[in-house]
Amino acid sequence: KNQVEQSPQSLIILEGKNCTLQCNYTVSPFSNLRWYKQDTGRGPVSLTIMTFSENTKSNGRYTATLDADTKQSSLHITASQLSDSASYICVVIQSPMNYGGSQGNLIFGKGTKLSVKP
Amino acid sequence: SAVISQKPSRDICQRGTSLTIQCQVDSQVTMMFWYRQQPGQSLTLIATANQGSEATYESGFVIDKFPISRPNLTFSTLTVSNMSPEDSSIYLCSVGGVEGYEQYFGPGTRLTVT
Repeated sequence: KNQVEQSPQSLIILEGKNCTLQCNYTVSPFSNLRWYKQDTGRGPVSLTIMTFSENTKSNGRYTATLDADTKQSSLHITASQLSDSASYICVVIQSPMNYGGSQGNLIFGKGTKLSVKP
Repeated sequence: SAVISQKPSRDICQRGTSLTIQCQVDSQVTMMFWYRQQPGQSLTLIATANQGSEATYESGFVIDKFPISRPNLTFSTLTVSNMSPEDSSIYLCSVGGVEGYEQYFGPGTRLTVT
């Protein structure tokens, strides 16, 4: 069964600290993996998109890693800020890309809720 | 990129009534997608809104419950019909970007059914 599991479910850290969020998946065949940030009351916003051949991708203070062999990804947040408080959603896209249209078959994790405290 | 707006942003509705959610995109797109996000759950694709043809629904979702319109390449509506408290969710409109790799979401419509 195609699944995306995220951990931890929730996390509280102090401002300025680093943290790492985990995503394990069993999706096959794999097309790409995305991390989204969803602020409360808003739609998800893309942070990174990683294909099979990419191991690391950064977007400012966000760094995503992908190990396609173990089917694991992580999102590392450096020097956290209060504005980082949000849910972080891991999404794995199953090939072929044209499933259901241009988006492919997207399998969403439940997200990790991050709270950054002053 | 694509900028997506949704109306209403939130609503509280009574059981048995219907609500129509509007989605407007700032550029023409071939396909628009409707998602549901129930409390504490993952996003679930409801249907793909095709311009000029009927929407394509995912397993577990039917047209009678979630009728969709797509009158042009920048606009779509999703109606939640005969609502029950189980329909309380956030409903999100989404579009795929050029080459199908980037995905954009609207701000969502938070629906509460009492």
